[in-house]
Amino acid sequence: AQSVAQPEDQVNVAEGNPLTVKCTYSVSGNPYLFWYVQYPNRGLQFLLKYITGDNLVKGSYGFEAEFNKSQTSFHLKKPSALVSDSALYFCAARSGNTPLVFGKGTRLSVIA
Amino acid sequence: NAGVMQNPRHLVRRRGQEARLRCSPMKGHSHVYWYRQLPEEGLKFMVYLQKENIIDESGMPKERFSAEFPKEGPSILRIQQVVRGDSAAYFCASSLPGHNSPLHFGNGTRLTVT
Repeated sequence: AQSVAQPEDQVNVAEGNPLTVKCTYSVSGNPYLFWYVQYPNRGLQFLLKYITGDNLVKGSYGFEAEFNKSQTSFHLKKPSALVSDSALYFCAARSGNTPLVFGKGTRLSVIA
Repeated sequence: NAGVMQNPRHLVRRRGQEARLRCSPMKGHSHVYWYRQLPEEGLKFMVYLQKENIIDESGMPKERFSAEFPKEGPSILRIQQVVRGDSAAYFCASSLPGHNSPLHFGNGTRLTVT
């Protein structure tokens, strides 16, 4: 079965510091990987995706993610966190024509 | 705004009633997905539809739940004889064809069963 793990329920970081939100995946075949952000009482917003090519993917709002095939990871990163980045972040994966599977989410709190 | 539109935003039903959740995909999108989100949990896949066809319903409960995406009009997720455990946020997403196309989500319908 395909699965996505986000090992941290909560990540706290000071404003201006770099942030990392971790994600590992388990899919059969070549993975398609995605990050989404969810603000309170809203749907998920697409941030970035990895399909093929460069392992470092750049997305919206200054976020990027690094694909590591050997570690089956796709960690989300940002060089300098903003208070407005505080939200719930979801990693998702699929392969072939399987449904997109989501992790349980990581709540990011950026402290001024 | 041509985003994914879901209505109603909030729906309250008594146990045993029916709930109907509607979703209009983004303009030009022909693929629709329904997900359920429980508090402090991720999104659980329910069903994937294209116009007039159910492509994958592996996440749908076997009873009381059904979904459709007719040729004309929005996609409908229907829950018959609701129970308290059905209380959740239900999100619809749409996409272009292709496994690497990102899903675009609506703001969800929050169903409360009293």
